[in-house]
Amino acid sequence: GQNIDQPTEMTATEGAIVQINCTYQTSGFNGLFWYQQHAGEAPTFLSYNVLDGLEEKGRFSSFLSRSKGYSYLLLKELQMKDSASYLCASMDSNYQLIWGAGTKLIIKP
Amino acid sequence: DGGITQSPKYLFRKEGQNVTLSCEQNLNHDAMYWYRQDPGQGLRLIYYSQIVNDFLKGDIAEGYSVSREKKESFPLTVTSAQKNPTAFYLCATGTSGSSGANVLTFGAGSRLTVL
Repeated sequence: GQNIDQPTEMTATEGAIVQINCTYQTSGFNGLFWYQQHAGEAPTFLSYNVLDGLEEKGRFSSFLSRSKGYSYLLLKELQMKDSASYLCASMDSNYQLIWGAGTKLIIKP
Repeated sequence: DGGITQSPKYLFRKEGQNVTLSCEQNLNHDAMYWYRQDPGQGLRLIYYSQIVNDFLKGDIAEGYSVSREKKESFPLTVTSAQKNPTAFYLCATGTSGSSGANVLTFGAGSRLTVL
């Protein structure tokens, strides 16, 4: 079956670094997406990885290892506005997205 | 501004009633999607459409219906056959299907509560 696993909740301190992990098992693979979703709002796109390695985009970076079925989202210099849920989604061989349940990130001052 | 408009934002329904959620886009995207979001679960695909006058069932289409009469609009009807309709409904658009980097743009969502 197809499955995406990510932690339910994480807590971090303002100004620190946090890594949110995601493991996936999908029928085929056409890329891994990360989205940010503030409570009650629409998810917004953060990153897309299809090749192994690290993609850096400002304070946010995303890593992919296809052989391990593993990705992480790295958030640096955390700000209070980063408090949100972070959704991991894998695109399968039919170009359909399989979504994880999301990781709720709580930032404390 | 280009974007997606979902309405209503909040909707209350009595059991046995059908309700229709609106989704309108001016991004000129070919593909449109309806997802359902429940606490503790990933987004689940209800229906999607890659072209006008055509749509396909997603993983949880039972109890829902859609139409795609024009490119800009993809309304979702939650019928009385849907046994557990209370949820947050998200409409999204994207460039057509077979592309890896098909980034979705989401509307603000509609929260349906069945009383």
